[in-house]
Amino acid sequence: GNSVTQMEGPVTLSEEAFLTINCTYTATGYPSLFWYVQYPGEGLQLLLKATKADDKGSNKGFEATYRKETTSFHLEKGSVQVSDSAVYFCALSAVNNAGNMLTFGGGTRLMVKP
Amino acid sequence: GAVVSQHPSRVICKSGTSVKIECRSLDFQATTMFWYRQFPKQSLMLMATSNEGSKATYEQGVEKDKFLINHASLTLSTLTVTSAHPEDSSFYICSARDLGGGAVNEQFFGPGTRLTVL
Repeated sequence: GNSVTQMEGPVTLSEEAFLTINCTYTATGYPSLFWYVQYPGEGLQLLLKATKADDKGSNKGFEATYRKETTSFHLEKGSVQVSDSAVYFCALSAVNNAGNMLTFGGGTRLMVKP
Repeated sequence: GAVVSQHPSRVICKSGTSVKIECRSLDFQATTMFWYRQFPKQSLMLMATSNEGSKATYEQGVEKDKFLINHASLTLSTLTVTSAHPEDSSFYICSARDLGGGAVNEQFFGPGTRLTVL
């Protein structure tokens, strides 16, 4: 079946540090890949996505590239801010008998200190 | 666009009572809505897939008689937790898939409902 593995947190960084959150996946076919962000007490917000190999998703300074050869979709940001503190979920969407279903990784908590 | 709302955002109830949570797609039609449960510091667990006008499809291990789902229109799905117990306390999140326009495989998430059963 499909699965998503992301690095366990928490990840603690100082403001303006470089961020990488690793994400790898297992899926049949050609899934779409997503990063969602969840701020405390809130639901999930789509951060960025990529629908095919070598696509790069980007938003708010975050980037992730769909690497089919390494089945990865690592999230990066060059300079984090305190406001980026949240939980980040990597996810894939693939077609199965029930249609397009999302499979989530376990989430990575990011804490940015001033 | 693509806004999903949930009501209530927080609810506290006594053990044995039933609680209804609403999920609405505000500016688009959604033939399919999903209900997730999230325990503290954990990922989302899909509970069921709700299709407008038909019975919901429940994931393995989710009691359909305990978590009643109704998807009566293209913009509204409800989750009713029947005879709630403290172990049902959790953060419940819904999502909706846009019927037309946008990526066919993108889900839009509601803000979540925190249920506390005393």
